[in-house]
Amino acid sequence: DSGVTQTPKHLITATGQRVTLRCSPRSGDLSVYWYQQSLDQGLQFLIQYYNGEERAKGNILERFSAQQFPDLHSELNLSSLELGDSALYFCASSANTGTSGSYNEQFFGPGTRLTVL
Amino acid sequence: AQSVAQPEDQVNVAEGNPLTVKCTYSVSGNPYLFWYVQYPNRGLQFLLKYITGDNLVKGSYGFEAEFNKSQTSLHLKKPSALVSDSALYFCAFLHNAGNMLTFGGGTRLMVKP
Repeated sequence: DSGVTQTPKHLITATGQRVTLRCSPRSGDLSVYWYQQSLDQGLQFLIQYYNGEERAKGNILERFSAQQFPDLHSELNLSSLELGDSALYFCASSANTGTSGSYNEQFFGPGTRLTVL
Repeated sequence: AQSVAQPEDQVNVAEGNPLTVKCTYSVSGNPYLFWYVQYPNRGLQFLLKYITGDNLVKGSYGFEAEFNKSQTSLHLKKPSALVSDSALYFCAFLHNAGNMLTFGGGTRLMVKP
């Protein structure tokens, strides 16, 4: 058990809908990362938050957004869903300081499996 | 573009034999490299990291990795494979500027009894 929790475990929805995925980082970790794992794209970094502020952005679609709250939990919002958004979405957390030069490993949650029908 | 590559989609070994899962990198500056394992229906579990220093890095569950600068590689090794090691293995590099991980395509390890 990594100490990172994600809810829900599974989500089935229809095209055009909007969903919210939730993540609680390990106790004390200030950084939260979101990754998408799909068969055709592999594991891709989406976005990072550090202590409530967006720190880095990867291949995140404009239809997707995220935030980190004062209690450090994070939510990933996916809207106008398409079939191709079906994937496993992972949250990870780390104890890094949020600046370059931090080499802490990231601890991953169990993921949310999103199926768009 | 900076990247890591895992040249083998699948590696098959017999239980008790040594195993190697390969990873090569193309990274500007110092490479900060990680290995993770993913069991079915589970998240990724951290195995080890290479930041700098010794070319042999010890990790979790008896795994180790050998860094080779001239071959730009960090291969994952274990002296004696277990059936329970069967899983999907990912290497990744850490972007210094953003602290995000870029992953290789993954290698499925199958350990046969």
